[in-house]
Amino acid sequence: NAGVTQTPKFQVLKTGQSMTLQCAQDMNHEYMSWYRQDPGMGLRLIHYSVGAGITDQGEVPNGYNVSRSTTEDFPLRLLSAAPSQTSVYFCASTRRWTVYNYGYTFGSGTRLTVV
Amino acid sequence: GQQVMQIPQYQHVQEGEDFTTYCNSSTTLSNIQWYKQRPGGHPVFLIQLVKSGEVKKQKRLTFQFGEAKKNSSLHITATQTTDVGTYFCAEWAFGNEKLTFGTGTRLTIIP
Repeated sequence: NAGVTQTPKFQVLKTGQSMTLQCAQDMNHEYMSWYRQDPGMGLRLIHYSVGAGITDQGEVPNGYNVSRSTTEDFPLRLLSAAPSQTSVYFCASTRRWTVYNYGYTFGSGTRLTVV
Repeated sequence: GQQVMQIPQYQHVQEGEDFTTYCNSSTTLSNIQWYKQRPGGHPVFLIQLVKSGEVKKQKRLTFQFGEAKKNSSLHITATQTTDVGTYFCAEWAFGNEKLTFGTGTRLTIIP
């Protein structure tokens, strides 16, 4: 079991460039989410998905797109990178919520710098 | 939207001292999850609390959910250097099916 795999681990982009952050999980989890974490700050939800074909916006969705064509993959696309998008991005997944929920499993993160 | 506040934002303790972080909401919480993030690492799930007044223990860690389900706390007894990190509470919102994190408490240990 690899858990949640994020690629790349580090990325430097120029303003205006686009890119896709990859996220894959092999635990057959229904729910997946993307968070960003800025220095000294908490985790803010960008987009989330409750199953293949279903996505929804979180707190800070502007400038990002997602799709969920399979249960395993949940890529995050930056449409036109801006310095304000410099952050650490975490992908996470979990089973459908039950009273015995095991919580979200997080990937190791992608550190993105936009110059 | 719903915002869960945590206090304190930072806490420095001598090794061996106790530590407590509090999570507060102005509205009733469906449930509370707690996560730990080591410096440079990713959040790791610790526990989930669902019932009013619930108390759960994991070794030196004690988690409580308030009777009114508007607050929660994490208490660490006799801190060790391995406890260093940021502790987050988070609410799972039924209906929206999303996890919203609190602001976090950063714990540093003075050896």
